[in-house]
Amino acid sequence: NAGVTQTPKFQVLKTGQSMTLQCAQDMNHEYMSWYRQDPGMGLRLIHYSVGAGITDQGEVPNGYNVSRSTTEDFPLRLLSAAPSQTSVYFCASSYSSGGTEQYFGPGTRLTVT
Amino acid sequence: QKEVEQDPGPLSVPEGAIVSLNCTYSNSAFQYFMWYRQYSRKGPELLMYTYSSGNKEDGRFTAQVDKSSKYISLFIRDSQPSDSATYLCAMMTTDSWGKFQFGAGTQVVVTP
Repeated sequence: NAGVTQTPKFQVLKTGQSMTLQCAQDMNHEYMSWYRQDPGMGLRLIHYSVGAGITDQGEVPNGYNVSRSTTEDFPLRLLSAAPSQTSVYFCASSYSSGGTEQYFGPGTRLTVT
Repeated sequence: QKEVEQDPGPLSVPEGAIVSLNCTYSNSAFQYFMWYRQYSRKGPELLMYTYSSGNKEDGRFTAQVDKSSKYISLFIRDSQPSDSATYLCAMMTTDSWGKFQFGAGTQVVVTP
């Protein structure tokens, strides 16, 4: 199993550009989520999904969109990048039923200039 | 004020010492308590998870939850240089399943 994979590993965007961060898992996990990690702030939940076709907002959803058309994939879209979205983005997945063990991907380092 | 507070450190200890980490929280509805380890430039990995209160031990790691004080702890015995990492606590309520609240993380450095 590859676990949770994320692409790209690094990305530089200009303000106003849009892009999609890809996340995929091959563990048949129902639950998937996106976090951003900033110095001194820990991990903050952006959006999450409890199954295909179901998504919900986390703590910091503004400026981001998600969709979940398959169990395996959970892309995160930045609609119009801003410098405040410079961060490291992590995708995670877990089993839905009592799934407290989240498996994290390696992260995407995004810089918005 | 953040719901979960964690001292960012760094916490430097000599090899073989006990590492003591803790988090405080303000939401009394938290029932699931987790500790993650994150190596530099890697994703976090789950170390321990506790439901409700009490202690849990796994090898050199012990997790404690004191709900009356809204305080959780992680102890690492016989620390090794390979334990050098950032340790994050995370919490969740039962009626907001999936909405994990993380602490900021404590950086630990174990010196040989």
